[in-house]
Amino acid sequence: EVQLVESGGGLRQPGGSLRLSCAASGFTFSSYAMNWVRQAPGKGLEWVSTISGSGGGTYYADSVKGRFTISRDNSKNTLYLQMNSLRAEDTAVYYCAKDRRIAVAGDEFDYWGQGTLVTVSS
Amino acid sequence: EIVLTQSPGTLSLSPGERATLSCRASQSVSSSYLAWYQQKPGQAPRLLIYGASSRATGIPDRFSGSGSGTDFTLTISRLEPEDFAVYYCQHYGSSPTFGQGTRLEIK
Repeated sequence: EVQLVESGGGLRQPGGSLRLSCAASGFTFSSYAMNWVRQAPGKGLEWVSTISGSGGGTYYADSVKGRFTISRDNSKNTLYLQMNSLRAEDTAVYYCAKDRRIAVAGDEFDYWGQGTLVTVSS
Repeated sequence: EIVLTQSPGTLSLSPGERATLSCRASQSVSSSYLAWYQQKPGQAPRLLIYGASSRATGIPDRFSGSGSGTDFTLTISRLEPEDFAVYYCQHYGSSPTFGQGTRLEIK
């Protein structure tokens, strides 16, 4: 059974940093691109970032480019999102999500974690 | 960037009725890269449809997707109580985008 479990959310002041983790199980982690998607309170879904299975390809939404860094440790089956220079508008539930097909970055997301809440406020 | 516009914003229907949800893209997109998701309160989104018309694993056949170019549709043939939720369309690729969502509520 595929499982994605996010952790690391919390309250930070504007300008602060936070690192999110997503522990994956139930599939060959290194074979799939992985993604971060966020949802501000009461709002819709916003794609944040994608990383290829090998970690060699990374993609970012313009809203986070230069501030957030996606990475993965395939030996630990774990996805990360390093969030720096946080802003109030980064407040959201952050979901990790798995691409549906092997070795395709830029696919639909067939499994999602339960999300972790990041709040940026002074 | 491709902008997806969903309509209506809210759809009020009764169980047993047919639901038709629309997703319009700002420019033509490949049907291979259009998906639909369902999200219930407090839950993560669930993939329903990919490639505009293919049902994801475990999705009941009352859900169907269609369309091409700039206009795509999600149809729920006979609404069940558990279908009342928010639905999002998505264009996926190197820079995925989501529509703003359609809330399907019980009339």
